[in-house]
Amino acid sequence: GQNIDQPTEMTATEGAIVQINCTYQTSGFNGLFWYQQHAGEAPTFLSYNVLDGLEEKGRFSSFLSRSKGYSYLLLKELQMKDSASYLCAVKDNTDKLIFGTGTRLQVFP
Amino acid sequence: EADIYQTPRYLVIGTGKKITLECSQTMGHDKMYWYQQDPGMELHLIHYSYGVNSTEKGDLSSESTVSRIRTEHFPLTLESARPSHTSQYLCASDRGGTDTQYFGPGTRLTVL
Repeated sequence: GQNIDQPTEMTATEGAIVQINCTYQTSGFNGLFWYQQHAGEAPTFLSYNVLDGLEEKGRFSSFLSRSKGYSYLLLKELQMKDSASYLCAVKDNTDKLIFGTGTRLQVFP
Repeated sequence: EADIYQTPRYLVIGTGKKITLECSQTMGHDKMYWYQQDPGMELHLIHYSYGVNSTEKGDLSSESTVSRIRTEHFPLTLESARPSHTSQYLCASDRGGTDTQYFGPGTRLTVL
């Protein structure tokens, strides 16, 4: 079967660093995507990995290990506006995105 | 910036009405998708299309139907809306393969 696992909730303090982990088992692999979704809004694309290693985009970085079926999203210098759900999604061999349940991150002052 | 649009953004209707949710994209993407998402819950794929005249049902059973007559347009229709259809409907598109999937702003549907 297809399965994406990520923590349900996390909390952190403004200015800190937080790492959101994601493990996956899917039929085929055409990339792992991270999206940010604020309550009541549509997901917005954050980061993408198809090869092993770290991808950095400003305050956000994402890491992938295909052999371990593992990824993480690293958020640095947290801001209050980073309070949102973070969705890990894997594109399978039929081009469909398989989503995890999302990690709700709360940033406190 | 993703050029994918959905109308209406919000819709409140009575039970039994027929509705069509519009989705269009100007990126020339062959592949388009419809997701359903309840508040605080995960996204569920309900329909997808790999190109003109291609439509498939997704992983979550839905009473809605879709059509793909033009590349840029992927409307979703509910013939007879019910309160159980109350949800957010999100449209997305990409070029397939490892290409990034982009989402429209969503339509929040409430059926009374």
